[in-house]
Amino acid sequence: GQQVMQIPQYQHVQEGEDFTTYCNSSTTLSNIQWYKQRPGGHPVFLIQLVKSGEVKKQKRLTFQFGEAKKNSSLHITATQTTDVGTYFCAAPYGQNFVFGPGTRLSVLP
Amino acid sequence: NAGVTQTPKFQVLKTGQSMTLQCAQDMNHEYMSWYRQDPGMGLRLIHYSVGAGITDQGEVPNGYNVSRSTTEDFPLRLLSAAPSQTSVYFCASKRGSQETQYFGPGTRLLVL
Repeated sequence: GQQVMQIPQYQHVQEGEDFTTYCNSSTTLSNIQWYKQRPGGHPVFLIQLVKSGEVKKQKRLTFQFGEAKKNSSLHITATQTTDVGTYFCAAPYGQNFVFGPGTRLSVLP
Repeated sequence: NAGVTQTPKFQVLKTGQSMTLQCAQDMNHEYMSWYRQDPGMGLRLIHYSVGAGITDQGEVPNGYNVSRSTTEDFPLRLLSAAPSQTSVYFCASKRGSQETQYFGPGTRLLVL
């Protein structure tokens, strides 16, 4: 079945530093979604990427879909304590999505 | 709109007990799913439904039953709880197969 890998598993940064998480698939994807889960909370949709090489920005967050549509990245510029949480990518699999294991981000003030 | 609601928020069960986790959505979404989340393993799909009267198995269906009699409700039944079912359970809904998923607040289940 579809498998999605994410690295790193954990990332600790000082507030103001940048952060990047990477998502990789062994197969070509039609699209990819990103979710954020705050500690003790539930996953919340961030964005969906569809086109090869697509880059989308949401304030300090930059999302990229690889040219081969097998990988994606989420980059946060100048992290803030509000960015704390786990970031998941999700790849389509039939009528559902398969979630990566997530990258847990902690931000030290 | 309340979105996706789940009850209860917390539950403690003894091994062998049965229970039903409730999930409801008021967005008229056709697709609904149940996930379990365990540390370091992300979200794993238990069962899903593409419309009232239609359900199917996900990645980890053993020990769980579902039914979908209405568009709004999608309960998850644990038939005979086991310690391995200790987890956080999330219900989610979406309008279409490739659309945004909206998650409920989760149910934290401890099986002793």
